[in-house]
Amino acid sequence: QSALTQPASVSGSPGQSITISCTGTSSDVGSYDLVSWYQQHPGKAPQVMIFEVTKRPSGVSNRFSGSKSGNTASLTISGLQADDEADYYCCSYAVGNINWVFGGGTKLTVL
Amino acid sequence: QVQLQESGPGLVKPSETLSLTCTVSGGSISRSSYYWSWIRQHPGKGLEWIGYIFYSGSAYYNTALQSRVTVSVDTSKNQFSLKLDSVTAADTAVYYCAKVNNNAFMNWGQGALVTVSS
Repeated sequence: QSALTQPASVSGSPGQSITISCTGTSSDVGSYDLVSWYQQHPGKAPQVMIFEVTKRPSGVSNRFSGSKSGNTASLTISGLQADDEADYYCCSYAVGNINWVFGGGTKLTVL
Repeated sequence: QVQLQESGPGLVKPSETLSLTCTVSGGSISRSSYYWSWIRQHPGKGLEWIGYIFYSGSAYYNTALQSRVTVSVDTSKNQFSLKLDSVTAADTAVYYCAKVNNNAFMNWGQGALVTVSS
């Protein structure tokens, strides 16, 4: 089963908003509202930012939001801050051979 | 707040078995709403789900690795473990343990780099 498709990189200036897409298939993103997003700073473990498509864990800024349409999920970060610069990964539950599949990751650069 | 910590050898020889343990603190591994998972990240690459286990012992694996992977749980020690057989250089990665609830990997260990080399 292939990884979910994310853009390799996105960038934005402080204060702006950016959106990262995550495209899967009808066997994963399209079938379940079980998409999550993770932020990973260099040398650190990933941290969940969004779960079940739109929900934010306690402690995560409301500048982070998630959505889904068909086979594509999206993560939007508003009011970009320097500390948002990191790698972002999407993840979805999937039917068939692999229970959980990740995207290839997107490097966010804050200009 | 649950915390997780991976431990185990950082160097494994080709064809041998990789073994890692994750110690859970700040909460019981027997909590019924949680699964306990292993995820790896090859150097400079993305994340790959390896498998997870429920406290009862029911385990589920990535079928790409299923023939070589065993995840087990020891509730008396509040630990769960990963064994990966017949390793090659392609298994060199940072291995993370994580708690799964609300259908997401909610808490992660700091990660353990395992290098496969003779």
